[in-house]
Amino acid sequence: NAGVTQTPKFQVLKTGQSMTLQCAQDMNHEYMSWYRQDPGMGLRLIHYSVGAGITDQGEVPNGYNVSRSTTEDFPLRLLSAAPSQTSVYFCASKLGGATYGYTFGSGTRLTVV
Amino acid sequence: GQSLEQPSEVTAVEGAIVQINCTYQTSGFYGLSWYQQHDGGAPTFLSYNALDGLEETGRFSSFLSRSDSYGYLLLQELQMKDSASYFCAVRVLYNQGGKLIFGQGTELSVKP
Repeated sequence: NAGVTQTPKFQVLKTGQSMTLQCAQDMNHEYMSWYRQDPGMGLRLIHYSVGAGITDQGEVPNGYNVSRSTTEDFPLRLLSAAPSQTSVYFCASKLGGATYGYTFGSGTRLTVV
Repeated sequence: GQSLEQPSEVTAVEGAIVQINCTYQTSGFYGLSWYQQHDGGAPTFLSYNALDGLEETGRFSSFLSRSDSYGYLLLQELQMKDSASYFCAVRVLYNQGGKLIFGQGTELSVKP
């Protein structure tokens, strides 16, 4: 049981490049979310999903796309990277129903130059 | 809009008790959670309150007052390893219980 796995752990992009941050969980969790964390800003919700085929926007969705074709995977796509997207990105998942605690991945540290 | 307010920093000594407050103004409210994060690592879930009152889990307790839009995390018998950032988070949708909005976090420093 690996939990929530994020790849890559570190990434440097040039402005305008696109890339996909990978997130996979092996706990059969229904809910998955992407957050970004900037210094002094806490965790801000980018996109979330309540099941395969269902996604919705969070607080800061602009510049990011998601899809959820399987229960296990929830990739985050940066369409055209900008320096403002330099951040630490966390993926998280949890069971549905009366369960409340999210399990977080270890994060992807992204720098856009 | 959504707004969660926490103190940015709290300092306490080993063995003491510390309380971290959280006030919220959100479009919906279906529960308050607390998470701990060490040194920028993966946040870990500590507790959840859906109803008013106190929930206790070992040295940690969490309280909620929905009428006051207020909650707190209480840490007892502080240990050096409790030095970390603590985040409150509000579940803002019922049927889509996955939508959590976080506060900006409180950095707790435990001194010997």
